[in-house]
Amino acid sequence: DAGVTQSPTHLIKTRGQQVTLRCSPISGHKSVSWYQQVLGQGPQFIFQYYEKEERGRGNFPDRFSARQFPNYSSELNVNALLLGDSALYLCASSLEVWTGYGEKLFFGSGTQLSVL
Amino acid sequence: DAKTTQPNSMESNEEEPVHLPCNHSTISGTDYIHWYRQLPSQGPEYVIHGLTSNVNNRMASLAIAEDRKSSTLILHRATLRDAAVYYCILFTGNQFYFGTGTSLTVIP
Repeated sequence: DAGVTQSPTHLIKTRGQQVTLRCSPISGHKSVSWYQQVLGQGPQFIFQYYEKEERGRGNFPDRFSARQFPNYSSELNVNALLLGDSALYLCASSLEVWTGYGEKLFFGSGTQLSVL
Repeated sequence: DAKTTQPNSMESNEEEPVHLPCNHSTISGTDYIHWYRQLPSQGPEYVIHGLTSNVNNRMASLAIAEDRKSSTLILHRATLRDAAVYYCILFTGNQFYFGTGTSLTVIP
């Protein structure tokens, strides 16, 4: 079975532009979460979606938004890009919504976003 | 503030055990401890998780201190394929909080 797929793999944008990143979860997985990984740091949680509803949000500005589609795929949108948005954006899928222990996450290889 | 702290880097000889430490002094009673590792140009990969008791799986063991303020990931026999950045993570408040990770170098 295919793992988590993300597209595109690399993207270059300029300040002020908008970007859309895409993620397809593992077949049968209903939850998708998004992370930002700045070079040299660990991933930071942005959103979790389950059954098309937002179930969690990290400490990111409103310029960041996401949605999940009926086939459980997801998009992350970032508006009014800043230089500081340059990072690797990771998507992870899990079988169910996160419970008390946190579900096992399966990550994609990410989208490298460069903002010039 | 970071919820977990780890050494930036560690080295190990191939086929020897590796103990990767993590401090999480602000952990609460219901927070789970997770470990993931990230190989170059890949997303993180699940290693192990636990709450209070020590945990074992085919990849590693997780030793959790009695007061739960620290834990140690144990790789029993390091191989070259274990060279990666290892993240100690707290699951709390319905979020995963990643640390800055320990870069493990395995020496042949």
